[in-house]
Amino acid sequence: GIQVEQSPPDLILQEGANSTLRCNFSDSVNNLQWFHQNPWGQLINLFYIPSGTKQNGRLSATTVATERYSLLYISSSQTTDSGVYFCAVDTIKAAGNKLTFGGGTRVLVKP
Amino acid sequence: DGGITQSPKYLFRKEGQNVTLSCEQNLNHDAMYWYRQDPGQGLRLIYYSQIVNDFQKGDIAEGYSVSREKKESFPLTVTSAQKNPTAFYLCASRPTGWNYGYTFGSGTRLTVV
Repeated sequence: GIQVEQSPPDLILQEGANSTLRCNFSDSVNNLQWFHQNPWGQLINLFYIPSGTKQNGRLSATTVATERYSLLYISSSQTTDSGVYFCAVDTIKAAGNKLTFGGGTRVLVKP
Repeated sequence: DGGITQSPKYLFRKEGQNVTLSCEQNLNHDAMYWYRQDPGQGLRLIYYSQIVNDFQKGDIAEGYSVSREKKESFPLTVTSAQKNPTAFYLCASRPTGWNYGYTFGSGTRLTVV
């Protein structure tokens, strides 16, 4: 099946810093989503971005489908940005739609 | 508001018992999914259903069972055959078609005591 790798695995930031999270995937995809998992475990959808660039406040994401990677940018980080960020993909070649997750990037923003 | 409701939030089970986790959605989504998350790990697919009365095994289906009798509901039973059931369980749904994202519930944390 498709492989999804996220880097870095852990990230410690000072409040106000900018950062970039990366997601590499091993095959063509028809769906790519970035999620933020809060300390209570809930997965919050950040972006649905199988290709192109989107922005939402301090967060933005870019997916280059032809090169099989996606980037999530966090600008002016805040302590509330702490948590785990997951990239997940759904491949055209899968027998039925199903989302495959990367291992996540654990972000800690210090005040 | 439309969304996915999982219940209960916390569940304790004795070894050897079956337990059922509830997942209900009012988004009118056709497809529903169950994922398992172990501490410090990503999510792994247990079962999914694209339509009522039909479902398929995911990557780690052993020891689990599901039913899909109604479009809105996709309960997951963790059976006594599941060797390590302690985990966080997340339910998701999405409309049919290729260009729609997934929506997740808030999860059920199951602990075997």
